[in-house]
Amino acid sequence: GQNIDQPTEMTATEGAIVQINCTYQTSGFNGLFWYQQHAGEAPTFLSYNVLDGLEEKGRFSSFLSRSKGYSYLLLKELQMKDSASYLCAVLDSNYQLIWGAGTKLIIKP
Amino acid sequence: ETGVTQTPRHLVMGMTNKKSLKCEQHLGHNAMYWYKQSAKKPLELMFVYNFKEQTENNSVPSRFSPECPNSSHLFLHLHTLQPEDSALYLCASSQVSGGATDTQYFGPGTRLTVL
Repeated sequence: GQNIDQPTEMTATEGAIVQINCTYQTSGFNGLFWYQQHAGEAPTFLSYNVLDGLEEKGRFSSFLSRSKGYSYLLLKELQMKDSASYLCAVLDSNYQLIWGAGTKLIIKP
Repeated sequence: ETGVTQTPRHLVMGMTNKKSLKCEQHLGHNAMYWYKQSAKKPLELMFVYNFKEQTENNSVPSRFSPECPNSSHLFLHLHTLQPEDSALYLCASSQVSGGATDTQYFGPGTRLTVL
């Protein structure tokens, strides 16, 4: 079966750095997405990785290792507005998105 | 604002009611999706439309009936729902379905409660 694993919940301090991990076992791989979802709002696109390595976009970076079936989202200089759920999703060999259950990130002052 | 709107935002219905959820995208996309989101569970893909044709139906019960009159509008008709159908229903759109870098853009969802 296809599976995406990510921690259910994480807590971090304002101004700090946090890394949210995602591991996957899927039938094929055509890229990995990260989305942010604030409570009661739409998931919004953060990043897409299809090649190994780190992609940086402002305070957010996303890393991929295809050989390890592993990705992480790195958030720097945390702000209170970063409190949200972060969803990891993998595009499988049929170009279907397989979703993780999301990681709820709580930022404390 | 993602360019995808959904109405209503909240809906409470009894098990014998019939209601419809509406989604509209203003992004010029050709693919539209319905997802079910339950607490602490992965997004569940329900239906996919590509150029107005249904291309995916993930074993969804017949009490959920989708309709896609054109590439910009998508409906989900609901009838004789069960309490376990209570969830957040998300609509999304993308340029096409099945594309290699096909980013999906989501609406804010309809919070459905079935009594």
